[in-house]
Amino acid sequence: DTEVTQTPKHLVMGMTNKKSLKCEQHMGHRAMYWYKQKAKKPPELMFVYSYEKLSINESVPSRFSPECPNSSLLNLHLHALQPEDSALYLCASSQDRLAGGTDTQYFGPGTRLTVL
Amino acid sequence: AQSVAQPEDQVNVAEGNPLTVKCTYSVSGNPYLFWYVQYPNRGLQFLLKYITGDNLVKGSYGFEAEFNKSQTSFHLKKPSALVSDSALYFCAVRGGNSGGYQKVTFGTGTKLQVIP
Repeated sequence: DTEVTQTPKHLVMGMTNKKSLKCEQHMGHRAMYWYKQKAKKPPELMFVYSYEKLSINESVPSRFSPECPNSSLLNLHLHALQPEDSALYLCASSQDRLAGGTDTQYFGPGTRLTVL
Repeated sequence: AQSVAQPEDQVNVAEGNPLTVKCTYSVSGNPYLFWYVQYPNRGLQFLLKYITGDNLVKGSYGFEAEFNKSQTSFHLKKPSALVSDSALYFCAVRGGNSGGYQKVTFGTGTKLQVIP
C-alpha cells in the first residue's frame, strides 16, 4: 500500500481565515513533506519532517505553519494567506531521509487551495 | 547545485507509436533519478527510479527509462503509447552525496499528448 491521503480535496478561504490541511500515511514512513505546486509547474518544497522533527524549512512565510503530531500525520496550518498562495498543496512521504537519497517520495492527491 | 532539464514542454505521439520523454541532469556524485506522472488535479505518481545497477529501468504501466552516464540523461520510454498515457511527466534528481539531506530537484515537466 503506497497511499498518502489528504483532506480536504478543495478549500476556499478568505485572507483573514484560519484553516488546516491534513495529510496521513500508514506506510511506516518517517519522512514527510509539504510541497506547493502552481499550475503546470513543478512542485516546490516547503517543509520536511524527519522522525516528527522539522528538518527543513525552505524559507516559507510564517503564515504557513507545519505540525507533525505523530509519525503518520502531518498538518499545515494556514493563517492570513494572500491570493498568490492559491495553489495545489501536496503532501509526500518517504521511508527515511537518511537512506542515502534513494528514498522514493509517495505523493498524496493534493488539496486545491483558493484564497479570495 | 543539482539541476534537471526537460527540453520539451510538450510531446505529441500517435497512439500505438513508441514515445520518448527526454531528461538530462547535473549533479555532484552519484545521481538518483526518478520519473513521476501527474494527471490533471492529482498528485504525482511514482513511475520508476534509477539508483544503481542495470542502466535500463522498468517501471509501472509499461514505462522504462535508460540511464546514460556519459550523456547525463535519463529518458523515459514506452514501446506503444496509449491515450490514457496523456499527462504531465516530471523527471527528478537527487544527489547521492552523503552528509545530510539532499533535496529532490524536479524538472519543469513535459506534457505528453497521445493522439487517437
